[in-house]
Amino acid sequence: DAKTTQPNSMESNEEEPVHLPCNHSTISGTDYIHWYRQLPSQGPEYVIHGLTSNVNNRMASLAIAEDRKSSTLILHRATLRDAAVYYCILRSIQGAQKLVFGQGTRLTINP
Amino acid sequence: KAGVTQTPRYLIKTRGQQVTLSCSPISGHRSVSWYQQTPGQGLQFLFEYFSETQRNKGNFPGRFSGRQFSNSRSEMNVSTLELGDSALYLCASSLVRSGGLSYNEQFFGPGTRLTVL
Repeated sequence: DAKTTQPNSMESNEEEPVHLPCNHSTISGTDYIHWYRQLPSQGPEYVIHGLTSNVNNRMASLAIAEDRKSSTLILHRATLRDAAVYYCILRSIQGAQKLVFGQGTRLTINP
Repeated sequence: KAGVTQTPRYLIKTRGQQVTLSCSPISGHRSVSWYQQTPGQGLQFLFEYFSETQRNKGNFPGRFSGRQFSNSRSEMNVSTLELGDSALYLCASSLVRSGGLSYNEQFFGPGTRLTVL
């Protein structure tokens, strides 16, 4: 499985944008970039995913580099509820329903 | 639509015992995956079931097993429990397209917290 690299932790202030980076230099053409987050004492929850183009949904935006070797999850206006561990995961459309979680980025939001 | 449910939520067992955990996926979801989460190893994939068949298995010993029923509900079993099996066990369900391929999101349950004494 292709590997992703994320910073161990990041900190931001409430109501400010947050940019969470992810490096995936060994990504293959059939790998989708998925982001999940895990709030304290909960199971992970899906945030967003994309293949080549930038993606937006109600939770966040995903910016994908042109060479697809890196991506950035953007929380446009962080709230305290966004404090969580964020995981960047590569999933092949040819693969089974297997998520390979790294260590993720622990995001702290300051009031 | 109801989310993924897992029972029980908390469980305490002693070494050598066995345990069965249950997962009910979201209605219409035919794929169920299981994960183990520990502070040391993080989130690790155990196995995935689709239409009552195990499709993929993680790197866990044979003491870990599972099954899926015709209504897509799934159980996982751990035999001869060891202290290191103490963990949060998470179940996730996914809507899989015909043909079995999907990049769809997985929906996780709240987990079962297993403590082995």
